[in-house]
Amino acid sequence: QVQLVQSGAEVKKPGASVKVSCKASGYTFTSYYMHWVRQAPGQGLEWMGIINPSGGSTSYAQKFQGRVTMTRDTSTSTVYMELSSLRSEDTAVYYCARETVAGTIAGAFDIWGQGTMVTVSS
Amino acid sequence: QSALTQPASVSGSPGQSITISCTGTSSDVGGYNYVSWYQQHPGKAPKLMIYDVSKRPSGVSNRFSGSKSGNTASLTISGLQAEDEADYYCSSYTSSSSVVFGGGTKLTVL
Repeated sequence: QVQLVQSGAEVKKPGASVKVSCKASGYTFTSYYMHWVRQAPGQGLEWMGIINPSGGSTSYAQKFQGRVTMTRDTSTSTVYMELSSLRSEDTAVYYCARETVAGTIAGAFDIWGQGTMVTVSS
Repeated sequence: QSALTQPASVSGSPGQSITISCTGTSSDVGGYNYVSWYQQHPGKAPKLMIYDVSKRPSGVSNRFSGSKSGNTASLTISGLQAEDEADYYCSSYTSSSSVVFGGGTKLTVL
């Protein structure tokens, strides 16, 4: 079945970096754009950026420019999201989410990972 | 990019219909037919309920429908059921080639 499986929870100190992985299975990895979305405790959803698993091109939300890097490994059908210079406000559940229609970008996410809790605390 | 505007909460009785609005601008909701709606139960990942304004993914009940007029999109749930109680988020593609979400609406089934 089509699924996205993310890496486990992380606890980081302020100023550190975190790298979350998202392994895709059950479909052609390079055919669908992948997004990252986060959700702080008790808060709403926030879009972070997108990666094209085929060519590796990326586009990031202005808020995260300079702090986030999204990469992919086609040999393992895995995308990664690295966030640096962590602060307490980055404490959130981080989700990878697949674009619904192959080859298009419409901001519609039909398959979501289970989420990765990242806690930033001294 | 400012978040889309949704009511903080809506409620309805079983069997009734409710509508959740999502207001943006001509740079997002009004400019593209790329509005999506998500349902999220506590502790769970969001679930896509509507995309491209009014399309339903396979497996989503036809009690859920979407529409758009100008800069405002709407999600209507008919025949409310207890399991519909959840948070609902709208999202839209934007002119900045980004995606923006609404603040979320808590649906209570009375």
